[in-house]
Amino acid sequence: KNEVEQSPQNLTAQEGEFITINCSYSVGISALHWLQQHPGGGIVSLFMLSSGKKKHGRLIATINIQEKHSSLHITASHPRDSAVYICAASISGGYNKLIFGAGTRLAVHP
Amino acid sequence: DAGVTQSPTHLIKTRGQQVTLRCSPKSGHDTVSWYQQALGQGPQFIFQYYEEEERQRGNFPDRFSGHQFPNYSSELNVNALLLGDSALYLCASSSHYEQYFGPGTRLTVT
Repeated sequence: KNEVEQSPQNLTAQEGEFITINCSYSVGISALHWLQQHPGGGIVSLFMLSSGKKKHGRLIATINIQEKHSSLHITASHPRDSAVYICAASISGGYNKLIFGAGTRLAVHP
Repeated sequence: DAGVTQSPTHLIKTRGQQVTLRCSPKSGHDTVSWYQQALGQGPQFIFQYYEEEERQRGNFPDRFSGHQFPNYSSELNVNALLLGDSALYLCASSSHYEQYFGPGTRLTVT
């Protein structure tokens, strides 16, 4: 079993829909990262969370430390949101070493 | 600030050859981590450099080696290339928990 699990693996939505991507982890963490990767490879950091909730524009990330679960929400989705979304755990005492989930491939259609 | 830069962007090598990939961290970041991302998978941790020394290492063979220079830039070397080494190689620089990723180097081994 992977230490960081994401679901779903693939997600298709219509423009305007509310989207949720889930991440569960089984290790002790110092922080949980949500990342976005577009075709071509470059990774952009969206959020870094150690507790609670963060919001940036139409993106919201939440984390429940007790349940070892995090979610990424996208409100009013748009085709430009189409990308792979990856959650990654910074391991406690791990000097910022990240363990990545496999990613969720999101396609938003107009 | 140019952020994290990597060179080259693309590289084609043949089996058995050696390759060197380069990474310049974001200004102010003293730690560089390298990740390998095979097609369709999440990145896997190769190793991390801090103060010119390898501080942590993932489950990669000794064919993978690295170096960090006094200006914090880093190199990843892979010897005796195998077809399975074909992947996107990502560099991430960090300071405390903040992580920034470079655009990656796509290595193809034929």
